[in-house]
Amino acid sequence: DVKVTQSSRYLVKRTGEKVFLECVQDMDHENMFWYRQDPGLGLRLIYFSYDVKMKEKGDIPEGYSVSREKKERFSLILESASTNQTSMYLCASSLSLIREPQHFGDGTRLSIL
Amino acid sequence: DAKTTQPNSMESNEEEPVHLPCNHSTISGTDYIHWYRQLPSQGPEYVIHGLTSNVNNRMASLAIAEDRKSSTLILHRATLRDAAVYYCIHRKLTFGKGITLSVRP
Repeated sequence: DVKVTQSSRYLVKRTGEKVFLECVQDMDHENMFWYRQDPGLGLRLIYFSYDVKMKEKGDIPEGYSVSREKKERFSLILESASTNQTSMYLCASSLSLIREPQHFGDGTRLSIL
Repeated sequence: DAKTTQPNSMESNEEEPVHLPCNHSTISGTDYIHWYRQLPSQGPEYVIHGLTSNVNNRMASLAIAEDRKSSTLILHRATLRDAAVYYCIHRKLTFGKGITLSVRP
C-alpha cells in the first residue's frame, strides 16, 4: 500500500513565523500535491510538483512556496505565517497526472495565532 | 472550467443501496472520472475511477453516462462506516465541496 506521511497532525505557530510542512511518500511517485481544506470550500490546490525540482502553481499559491529536492519529499513553506492560513493541509502523491489516483496523507491541522 | 456539480448532502438507510450523482458537463474526451471519499479526521481516499465503461471494484460501482457528462457512484449496501464526504472529479487537481452522505441505522 502507498503511504503518504505528513510530519505533524497538529501544529501551532505564531503570526510572522516561517513554517515548514513536510510530506514523504514511499512509492516512488512522480507527482506530489499540497492542498488546503476549509469548511464550505472543499479542497483547494496550492502547488504541485511533477518531478524533482519542478513545481507548478495551483489555484491559491499566494503566501506559499514549495520545495522538492528529493523525489519522495515535498515541503510546503509559509514564508511569513498569517492568521488566514489557519487550515487543514493535505499532501498527496500519484503515479501519473491523468489516470492513476492520488493517495493522501492524514493532514496537518495548522493554527496560526 | 473543470468543476463538477454534486448535491450538498444525501441520506440513506443502512443496508440499502445508495446512488450518488455527479455532473461534469465540461469533461473532455481523455479525462478520467475519479471518486474519493473522506472520513472524519482523515485525508481523502480513492474509491473508483473510469473513462467510458461502467466499473466495479470491492468498494463500489461507477456508472458513466453514454455522453460522459454525468456519473453515479453506487454503494450496493450502505453501512454506517460509509458515512463520509464523497468527491467526484474529472481533473485530478480540481476538487469541489463533495456530497456529505449520512447513513441511518
